[in-house]
Amino acid sequence: AQSVTQLDSQVPVFEEAPVELRCNYSSSVSVYLFWYVQYPNQGLQLLLKYLSGSTLVKGINGFEAEFNKSQTSFHLRKPSVHISDTAEYFCAVSDRSGGSNYKLTFGKGTLLTVNP
Amino acid sequence: GAVVSQHPSWVICKSGTSVKIECRSLDFQATTMFWYRQFPKQSLMLMATSNEGSKATYEQGVEKDKFLINHASLTLSTLTVTSAHPEDSSFYICSARDLPSFTGELFFGEGSRLTVL
Repeated sequence: AQSVTQLDSQVPVFEEAPVELRCNYSSSVSVYLFWYVQYPNQGLQLLLKYLSGSTLVKGINGFEAEFNKSQTSFHLRKPSVHISDTAEYFCAVSDRSGGSNYKLTFGKGTLLTVNP
Repeated sequence: GAVVSQHPSWVICKSGTSVKIECRSLDFQATTMFWYRQFPKQSLMLMATSNEGSKATYEQGVEKDKFLINHASLTLSTLTVTSAHPEDSSFYICSARDLPSFTGELFFGEGSRLTVL
C-alpha cells in the first residue's frame, strides 16, 4: 500500500515569487510519481510525472519537480508564479509493477493562492 | 494527449431518484477506468476500479448496490447513483489509462457535480 503526504494544505504567495509545494510518500514497492493541478469545478490536469531516468522532471506551465528516493520526496517548484497558477495541486503515486491496475493514491492537496 | 469526457457536468435531482454519469475515452481504448469522489476542499477518494467486460472492484466502504458501475465497452464506463440522497451530493471524477501505449499516466474527465435535493 502507498500513502502520500502533502505537508501544506494552503500556500499563499505573491505574484512572481518562487514557490515550492512539498510531497512525501510512503510505499513498500517502487512507484511512479505525479503532480496534478485542479482548477475550480474541473477535472485534473497532469503537470508532470516521474517514471524513471533523470530525477529532475520538467512539466507544463514552468513547473518542475525533483524525485529524491532517499527522502521519499517529490517536491514541486516554480521559480516565478502567476495569478493564473492559483489552483489546487495534488501529488499522487502508483505502483510501478502495475499492482492494483496502476491506480493512483492521492495526497490531500495543496491550495496555492497567488496574490497580486 | 488522450481525452476523457464525462457527461453530464452538472446534475440536480430529487432525493430517491437515480442518476447516471457517463465516462468516455474519446481517442483511445480504456480497458480500465477508475471512479473517484471528491468532497469540497478535499482530496479524491477512489470508489471503484472498472474493467471492461467484468465486474467492478469496489474500495472498502463503498456501497456497490448504491453506486452501480458498468464498463460494457472499451470506451465507455457508467456510474449510476441509485436512490440518491443529499449525502451523495459530491463531485464525481473518472479516469482511464491508455493501452497499449501506457505511460503510467491516468487521464481524467472533467468531473460531474451531483446535487441531490
